[in-house]
Amino acid sequence: DVKVTQSSRYLVKRTGEKVFLECVQDMDHENMFWYRQDPGLGLRLIYFSYDVKMKEKGDIPEGYSVSREKKERFSLILESASTNQTSMYLCASSKAGGNTGELFFGEGSRLTVL
Amino acid sequence: SQKIEQNSEALNIQEGKTATLTCNYTNYSPAYLQWYRQDPGRGPVFLLLIRENEKEKRKERLKVTFDTTLKQSLFHITASQPADSATYLCALDMGYGGATNKLIFGTGTLLAVQP
Repeated sequence: DVKVTQSSRYLVKRTGEKVFLECVQDMDHENMFWYRQDPGLGLRLIYFSYDVKMKEKGDIPEGYSVSREKKERFSLILESASTNQTSMYLCASSKAGGNTGELFFGEGSRLTVL
Repeated sequence: SQKIEQNSEALNIQEGKTATLTCNYTNYSPAYLQWYRQDPGRGPVFLLLIRENEKEKRKERLKVTFDTTLKQSLFHITASQPADSATYLCALDMGYGGATNKLIFGTGTLLAVQP
């Protein structure tokens, strides 16, 4: 069964802390994505990566960075967490090429910043 | 920039009826359009994809239509069941003139099927 695994389902952090959200996929997918989901705003793209060591900004990259050292792993980093980063974070992957783009999502990481 | 509109109000229907959800987009027609299902506290799950040159796609009790003139997709669930209750998300490829595999999502419509 193919899978995208996010390391933590629930996290509570304090303002100013550095936060790491880890995502691993076992489908050998080239593309990986980080979204955040907030009520009334839907899913918004933070960062994405089409290949190892490659990253591109999405629509809301401010306050975030990412790392992709291995094909299967894509990490989202909050350098200094703020309360407005309280959200549900969703990692997804997809196969490169073609006109499909079907995304496989993880279960999400619900982050609360106090 | 491309925007997607889904009815933010919940859709309540009786079991056995057909549920119809709407997705409208505002700008260029995407290479493809997708529908996802999301249960509370879970990640979205892919349901169906329809390409810009396709009018209709079916999968079991699901049917999706794509009208590039109206800039609209309709998502139908026939013979609906309480287990179909969930939020349904519409997503488009962000690319103009070709697929980029980056998706923009609507805010979703909550479907509640009453027994």
